[in-house]
Amino acid sequence: QSALTQPPSVSGSPGQSVTISCTGTSSDVGGYNRVSWYQQPPGTAPKLMIYEVTNRPSGVPDRFSGSKSGNTASLTISGLQAEDEADYYCCSYTSSSTFVFGTGTKVTVL
Amino acid sequence: EVQLVESGGGLVQPGGSLRLSCAASGFAFSTYSMHWVRQAPGKGLVWVSRINGEGRSTSYADSVRGRFTISRDNAKNTLYLQMNSLRAEDTAVYYCGPQEHFAFDRWGQGTMVTASS
Repeated sequence: QSALTQPPSVSGSPGQSVTISCTGTSSDVGGYNRVSWYQQPPGTAPKLMIYEVTNRPSGVPDRFSGSKSGNTASLTISGLQAEDEADYYCCSYTSSSTFVFGTGTKVTVL
Repeated sequence: EVQLVESGGGLVQPGGSLRLSCAASGFAFSTYSMHWVRQAPGKGLVWVSRINGEGRSTSYADSVRGRFTISRDNAKNTLYLQMNSLRAEDTAVYYCGPQEHFAFDRWGQGTMVTASS
């Protein structure tokens, strides 16, 4: 149950787009369309941003989008805003009927 | 309104035990699989355990299997995590939440567990 691999940090200027990758294996990310993404500002509980690779819960801006290719899932934030600065985590269901989170990515708005 | 209130955390010596509780309201508790997720200070999220709606099927992360036991009381809308043989590396904020669409859309405020001498 190794954590999914994410870049430690990404940054962008307001209005730009940033993409966070999440790499796993064929036993988790690559084997199921069951990848979710969470936003966590400092000192708060996580918030669900994307579920089942591409779906946005009600209330999440359409600036946030998800995709997957092979064993790598991605979260793209378009039109970056100051309020998007936070830690982001991916999560996948696994072939062992468990879940595994990613290592986390800090998004900085320059 | 969905509410999840975790409790039972605290300071415990390595090797000790604690039982966490998660009181749920605002949704049909017995129809949802429930999960525990933890976060060590300054570290990332880690999935810990899951139990199905009936309480008959459970799964655990390798790091806690054999030491932690998840259970639920659907009559009381409450989820539990019995933690035995605690280690320093179990120190974390523990969150509970229901699973929907293989994701976690609702989180409590968390309860802090510190295993230290």
